[in-house]
Parts: sequence; structure tokens; C-alpha cells
Amino acid sequence: DTGVSQNPRHKITKRGQNVTFRCDPISEHNRLYWYRQTLGQGPEFLTYFQNEAQLEKSRLLSDRFSAERPKGSFSTLEIQRTEQGDSAMYLCASSSPAGTENTEAFFGQGTRLTVV
Amino acid sequence: AQTVTQSQPEMSVQEAETVTLSCTYDTSENNYYLFWYKQPPSRQMILVIRQEAYKQQNATENRFSVNFQKAAKSFSLKISDSQLGDTAMYFCAFLFKGTYKYIFGTGTRLKVLA
Repeated sequence: DTGVSQNPRHKITKRGQNVTFRCDPISEHNRLYWYRQTLGQGPEFLTYFQNEAQLEKSRLLSDRFSAERPKGSFSTLEIQRTEQGDSAMYLCASSSPAGTENTEAFFGQGTRLTVV
Repeated sequence: AQTVTQSQPEMSVQEAETVTLSCTYDTSENNYYLFWYKQPPSRQMILVIRQEAYKQQNATENRFSVNFQKAAKSFSLKISDSQLGDTAMYFCAFLFKGTYKYIFGTGTRLKVLA
């Protein structure tokens, strides 16, 4: 297991199209996070899961955004009817091996979305 | 709601010198963690150092150390003997143990000059 993996690394889409990103966390981690980062800004929290349960969703996330983590393993983030304002880097992170309180979050390399 | 503020958008330091990055945060909670993460250009974010709020002793990791002032809600990062590989964005982050949600500051871009 080499870390958190995100696919695709880059995505260019036309406004109005739907896109889906995938995140594969470190296998023993039970928490999985999605963040959005725009140029020159810090990561903004979108949502997070503990195992398969989605525990919190940011108010920044409109109804066009949905995330899933079936079976508590990989996660997908879908954006419907994309808008130019959705252009950003989408980061996934995982943490906390089950049974420990390790608080370090491990990040993937991100998916850069460009909406044209 | 918790907030994290980094007031230095950019900093530079000569190689081998020492630099301090500032971070302040706001919370009414007592059980939390603070972190400094490093994001090199076009690479993923990695943990630099972590501090548990209930520990009074400042955390250190080799050339990296923090000055944690709980009453002042201040958490600065000192990098000693700066190296070219330290060039990166540095993010201060807060984690409340009740929600396990990380809150990040806006970052400080550090450039180490040869």
C-alpha cells in the first residue's frame, strides 16, 4: 500500500457535464475526507466518512455534489451540472487506523478539475 | 466554529538560516490537536509536526519545532537550518477531537534562497 490514490489526476469538462472522482485511501484507515483547494488558498472541508457512514457535509456543498463510500473502502465524489466555479483541486485524505487515535491525515495528490 | 489564521502569505529565508511561520486559531474547545502540513510544488501534502493541546511541552521534529501558546491561541512553526527542499506552502491546521474534522489556514508560501 503506497498511500492515498486519486483518479483521475486531471479532468477537463464542459460546463453542465457531470464528473466523478475516485479516492482509494490507505487500506486500514477508517476515516476518509474530501477537501477542495483553489489557487492560493488552504483546503476547504467538503465532507468526511467514518467507515461507510458520511458523518458531516459542509454547507459549501450544494445539492450538485454527492459523495459515497460503499463498504467503507474507496470513495467517489460526483459533481453534477458542473459550473466554472467548481474548477479547483479536489483533495482526498485518510486517517486513523481502526482501533487507534492516530490523528495524522495522509493526503492524495488530488484531482485538478477545470470546467470550460 | 473553529477558525485558523495565517497572516503571512509569503516568506523567504536564506539557506541555513532560521524562519518562523505564524498561526493563530480560535476555538472554545479544550480537546484538540494542531498541525503544520507542508505542500511542495505539485506534490501532495505531508505532515511536518503535530501538537496535542493538553501537552504543555512544545513538539519538535528534527529541524522543526513549534511554539504553542494555548492561552494566546498561537501556534508558530520554527524551521532551523533551512534547506532548499523546505520550499513549499505551509498550512496550519486544527482538529477538534469531537468531530475529527481538520480546519486549515490559508497557508504561507515559503521560499528558501540559495
